[in-house]
Amino acid sequence: DIQMTQSPSSLSASVGDRVTITCQASQDISNYLNWYQQKPGKAPKLLIYDASNLETGVPSRFSGSGSGTDFTFTISSLQPEDIATYYCQQYDNFGPGTKVDIK
Amino acid sequence: EVQLVESGGGLVQPGGSLRLSCAASGFTFSSYWMSWVRQAPGKGLEWVANIKQDGSEKYYVDSVKGRFTISRDNAKNSLYLQMNSLRAEDTAVYYCARDRGTWIQLWLFDYWGQGTLVTVSS
Repeated sequence: DIQMTQSPSSLSASVGDRVTITCQASQDISNYLNWYQQKPGKAPKLLIYDASNLETGVPSRFSGSGSGTDFTFTISSLQPEDIATYYCQQYDNFGPGTKVDIK
Repeated sequence: EVQLVESGGGLVQPGGSLRLSCAASGFTFSSYWMSWVRQAPGKGLEWVANIKQDGSEKYYVDSVKGRFTISRDNAKNSLYLQMNSLRAEDTAVYYCARDRGTWIQLWLFDYWGQGTLVTVSS
């Protein structure tokens, strides 16, 4: 089974900061990696698919990169509405999540 | 507008059963793989089960095999999850989710319901 790890598990940043989250797969998964945002009490929302493709309607401050085993999710300028937990996902495996707060 | 609306959650005793439903609208339900994904209180996301467009293929996470059954009724645009022999560790919010793939399974969940809470406790 493929294991997904994320780091950090949580972070606090200021509005306008650049935020980076990493996701690592235990084996090569090519670019089959998706990113979701989940706000408290809400369902997850797809943000990035196939490692780097921005879902329609998602602000361009969100981006993703990587292939193989190492992937990065970036918020270029953190906004208050970005407070959420972010999950990477490959097939039936979700990462443990990264909780993002405002400092 | 694509909508997925879950129902059927509630409080059930250990060993009991529950049937979740997910009503789909706004898209051709019969063209998509569908999944159930759950989230235990304060925990992360866990994929539970999925089903092919015509119901001919079904897959489950190991922890629910033999206890849960996923099914669908394309005439009613509905997805189901029959949960038997429930355990405390099955306590979670259960989401139904659409897989974007129409011909093949993409494991890309582009629409989610609001979730229904299942609590297993005596």
